[in-house]
Amino acid sequence: QVQLQESGPGLVKPSETLSLTCNVSGDSISSHSHYWVWIRQPPGKGLEWIVSMYYSGSTFYSPSLKSRVTMSVDTSKNQFSLELISVTAADTAIYYCARQGRGASPFDLWGQGNLVIVSS
Amino acid sequence: DIQMTQSPSSLSASVGDRVTITCRASQDISHYLAWYQQKPGKPPRLLIYAASTLQSGVPSRFSGSGSGTDFTLTISSLQPEDVSTYYCQKYNGALYTFGQGTKLEIK
Repeated sequence: QVQLQESGPGLVKPSETLSLTCNVSGDSISSHSHYWVWIRQPPGKGLEWIVSMYYSGSTFYSPSLKSRVTMSVDTSKNQFSLELISVTAADTAIYYCARQGRGASPFDLWGQGNLVIVSS
Repeated sequence: DIQMTQSPSSLSASVGDRVTITCRASQDISHYLAWYQQKPGKPPRLLIYAASTLQSGVPSRFSGSGSGTDFTLTISSLQPEDVSTYYCQKYNGALYTFGQGTKLEIK
């Protein structure tokens, strides 16, 4: 059974960097079949896609966040990561990692989410 | 950018009712439309992809239709466990935009 689990700090100070990791179990992150994804959801609001990445490096970004986002894949640990720089209160959200098929595909598997609050 | 607009934003219906949620794309997205269900405190769950294909394990009372710019999600007979927020999503063109969500409650 494939599972995704986010981890990272729940509190980040304004202007600092938000860093999260998603551990993948039951599937290889080097699978030729999938992209790996980050999505966020501000409390009580809707879903916002952030970035999708293939293990070899092909990456697609949300235009509104591209300048602040870095995504990486660690095949040795079977995990992928998100960094969001220069955070503000508007970045407070539940951050989800997810799996996506290659080509034009929806997000078929999601982690449980990691709430990150941006506050001093 | 293509915008996804759902209606209604919220909906209250009785158990056993037929429920329909609509999603409109600002440009033609062919059949590249997915529907997700999100229960309170849980991550979204993929229900339907390619506008009308049911994801494995999803009850058959859920169905999807449409192509181009206009899409619908239908629940044929509403059950108490269907209380959720439903989101549509376009997934072509490497930009994966969600609708704003439709909150479904039981009357």
